Amino acid sequence: QVQLQESGPGLVKPSETVSLTCTVAGYSISSGLYWGWIRQPPGKGLEWIGSIHYSGTTYYNTPLKSRVTISVDTSKNQFSLILSSVTAADTAVYYCARRVFWNDYPDSWGQGTLVTVSS
Amino acid sequence: DIQMTQSPSSVSASVGDRVTITCRASQDLSRWLAWYQQKPGKAPKRLIYAASSLQSGVPSRFSGSGSGTDYTLTISSLQPEDFATYYCQQANSFPITFGQGTRLDIK
Repeated sequence: QVQLQESGPGLVKPSETVSLTCTVAGYSISSGLYWGWIRQPPGKGLEWIGSIHYSGTTYYNTPLKSRVTISVDTSKNQFSLILSSVTAADTAVYYCARRVFWNDYPDSWGQGTLVTVSS
Repeated sequence: DIQMTQSPSSVSASVGDRVTITCRASQDLSRWLAWYQQKPGKAPKRLIYAASSLQSGVPSRFSGSGSGTDYTLTISSLQPEDFATYYCQQANSFPITFGQGTRLDIK
């Protein structure tokens, strides 16, 4: 059974960069599929951030594209999110998930990690 | 981007009731639609994919239907554990987009 676990700082200052990592257990990222990040501001809905294939192919949501980098480390069975120049609007629970791609549906999610942007 | 509009935004119902939630897309999804259930403090859980395919392990009281731009999630007989927020998600094209959610409360 696949399990995903997000890790990263809970508090970030405005204008700084936040880095999150998703560690996958029970399934090899190199087996295929797309892996992605989805966020949810407190009390609000879900927003897709971006997706990555083990080959390194990435897709990003246009509004975030200039500030987002997603990378993969197959040796550690992890993928990561870097979000730069954060503002209070980036305060959200960040989820990593499997099967985050068009013509597919996220089926396994991490528990989520709250990132708060505040000075 | 494909806009997803759910209705109602919230609904109150009782145990045993039949509840239907609707999701309308701004363009034809060709049935590339999923439904998720989210409880407070938890990640979303996939219930239905490909508009009407029931996720393994999900009770059969949940069902999905629809085509084109209009889709529905039906809970045939509400159970106490079903009170949660429900989201639709389109997978027809990038960017992946979600509905704004429907909160299902106990009456």
